[in-house]
Amino acid sequence: GAGVSQSPRYKVTKRGQDVALRCDPISGHVSLYWYRQALGQGPEFLTYFNYEAQQDKSGLPNDRFSAERPEGSISTLTIQRTEQRDSAMYRCASSPPSPGNEEKLFFGSGTQLSVL
Amino acid sequence: DQQVKQNSPSLSVQEGRISILNCDYTNSMFDYFLWYKKYPAEGPTFLISISSIKDKNEDGRFTVFLNKSAKHLSLHIVPSQPGDSAVYFCAASAGNQFYFGTGTSLTVIP
Repeated sequence: GAGVSQSPRYKVTKRGQDVALRCDPISGHVSLYWYRQALGQGPEFLTYFNYEAQQDKSGLPNDRFSAERPEGSISTLTIQRTEQRDSAMYRCASSPPSPGNEEKLFFGSGTQLSVL
Repeated sequence: DQQVKQNSPSLSVQEGRISILNCDYTNSMFDYFLWYKKYPAEGPTFLISISSIKDKNEDGRFTVFLNKSAKHLSLHIVPSQPGDSAVYFCAASAGNQFYFGTGTSLTVIP
């Protein structure tokens, strides 16, 4: 497809289980971002990749969260030992190369994670 | 601490009238600002942006105004249409980090 694709669309898991969320960015997009969005809030930055390099992971809440983008395309956000507070919409966004600072993010539809 | 704030969670406007959505920010290092529109069950989609070197950017029915001294930006939609009903997020960036507001839900009444 032409847009950012995320899978699964919905994920329900039990507390303590590990989950892996996948993001397939728009072809040719260099930058890839992961955001988390709680109900009624704006997207909250988690981490950012430029090609395969993780440039910024300052938004990852703790060491249970990790992300990778080994070939500079598809990215996986992994949450280990999930907790109920991890329940949220996880959104991926990608951005094409752009001059100066004028990046535009293209968002996927997100993965709704529910931890029981 | 919320660096980008949208203090109005909702707004209702009559079709054909102007919609004005407001956004305030605290970080003077932000140099690029964006508005995103979000329909239910979809990801946010880019609407319009403005660089800090400008104070106005217009694209069809949408105009974004930036007041750097007040650390305030606004999105004007005129004339408003029922299809504009959505949640609008304001975002600001410094470098590669984007910070989003909590959104304003716009309802355009036919």
